[in-house]
Amino acid sequence: ETGVTQTPRHLVMGMTNKKSLKCEQHLGHNAMYWYKQSAKKPLELMFVYSLEERVENNSVPSRFSPECPNSSHLFLHLHTLQPEDSALYLCASSQESGLNTEAFFGQGTRLTVV
Amino acid sequence: AQKITQTQPGMFVQEKEAVTLDCTYDTSDQSYGLFWYKQPSSGEMIFLIYQGSYDEQNATEGRYSLNFQKARKSANLVISASQLGDSAMYFCAMREDYNNNDMRFGAGTRLTVKP
Repeated sequence: ETGVTQTPRHLVMGMTNKKSLKCEQHLGHNAMYWYKQSAKKPLELMFVYSLEERVENNSVPSRFSPECPNSSHLFLHLHTLQPEDSALYLCASSQESGLNTEAFFGQGTRLTVV
Repeated sequence: AQKITQTQPGMFVQEKEAVTLDCTYDTSDQSYGLFWYKQPSSGEMIFLIYQGSYDEQNATEGRYSLNFQKARKSANLVISASQLGDSAMYFCAMREDYNNNDMRFGAGTRLTVKP
């Protein structure tokens, strides 16, 4: 496997469910990101991890809980979501969270909250 | 305030022709980086090209070039010799020096290449 892999690709969950999104990167990067992409909105940065420590949390509701157990894996734990949380959730990684480093993205998880 | 503005929600181009996708940005930093990404219908964001604020020459990567006009704060993407596979969403993004953990994206432009 190469690049950034996200699972599942599609997820439908009820508002009372608990689920987790998984991201794995095989690029040797040390920074990982979660983005939310809603219809007709720019991508929103949710969380940034650098060297497995969270360095950014853009006022994301607590019903989203990230976890970065090591530099290759990133999770987003979901609980008691709302229908407006339905979106494409993109994971990305980069060599470091520096000014000129591009981020490499996974294909995303399409989340539908019913 | 919107940091990245892409004013073209959708663009059409004939196959083999060139097309310019507009991007303007807002920053008070002297040091920043500008990126363009392509997002096909599969959802993955594909990095295309990077321009640093101190780079004197416009960046080029194959058929992609970046028309960087620093005084105007614009970083337009030029795609030459368009191909059908270029049909996708295109996003302009920026990292600023004061908070380089954060990559801000524009709303995107949907490009359709006509045969």
